[in-house]
Amino acid sequence: AQTVTQSQPEMSVQEAETVTLSCTYDTSESDYYLFWYKQPPSRQMILVIRQEAYKQQNATENRFSVNFQKAAKSFSLKISDSQLGDAAMYFCAYRSLKGGSEKLVFGKGTKLTVNP
Amino acid sequence: DGGITQSPKYLFRKEGQNVTLSCEQNLNHDAMYWYRQDPGQGLRLIYYSQIVNDFQKGDIAEGYSVSREKKESFPLTVTSAQKNPTAFYLCASSLQESWGFGSGTRLTVV
Repeated sequence: AQTVTQSQPEMSVQEAETVTLSCTYDTSESDYYLFWYKQPPSRQMILVIRQEAYKQQNATENRFSVNFQKAAKSFSLKISDSQLGDAAMYFCAYRSLKGGSEKLVFGKGTKLTVNP
Repeated sequence: DGGITQSPKYLFRKEGQNVTLSCEQNLNHDAMYWYRQDPGQGLRLIYYSQIVNDFQKGDIAEGYSVSREKKESFPLTVTSAQKNPTAFYLCASSLQESWGFGSGTRLTVV
């Protein structure tokens, strides 16, 4: 079974600075999706960024980018120019492409605090 | 607007009682899921359903039951057999790479 590990339960960053959240995963599959979700205090899950494993190019969405290292099974999230609104729980998630196994497997999350 | 509706937002249950959490989606997604969220535990899968009238156990199915009689609906029943039911419950749905999440139900046992 696939597992996702987020080794940083909490992180903090100064406003306008850059922070990197770590995520590693374990799988024997070669094709899959990886995601970062943001969960603010409202508890609504918000997709931040998605990466297809077959793509070598790292995904980028405005201030958010990933460092996808397939061989190392690592998928870190970099937030540039951090804003107060970035404060939230961040979850890394894995999704298999194998039929019947398309569920999302989540890590335990990293709580990000942004200091003014 | 398409989305996923969970109700109620807050739910209180007495020990020994069953309670049903509602999840409805109008996204025309085939698959639906129930996750449980506890502090420091992330989101853990309870049950999921890929088509109507079929569902599979997730990682923590004991003490829970589900049904999938309609594509739009996937209710979760927390039974008295669930020893520690106080948690935040999140419903989700998906169609290929597109996922949606409800706003959750906070269940408290009193």
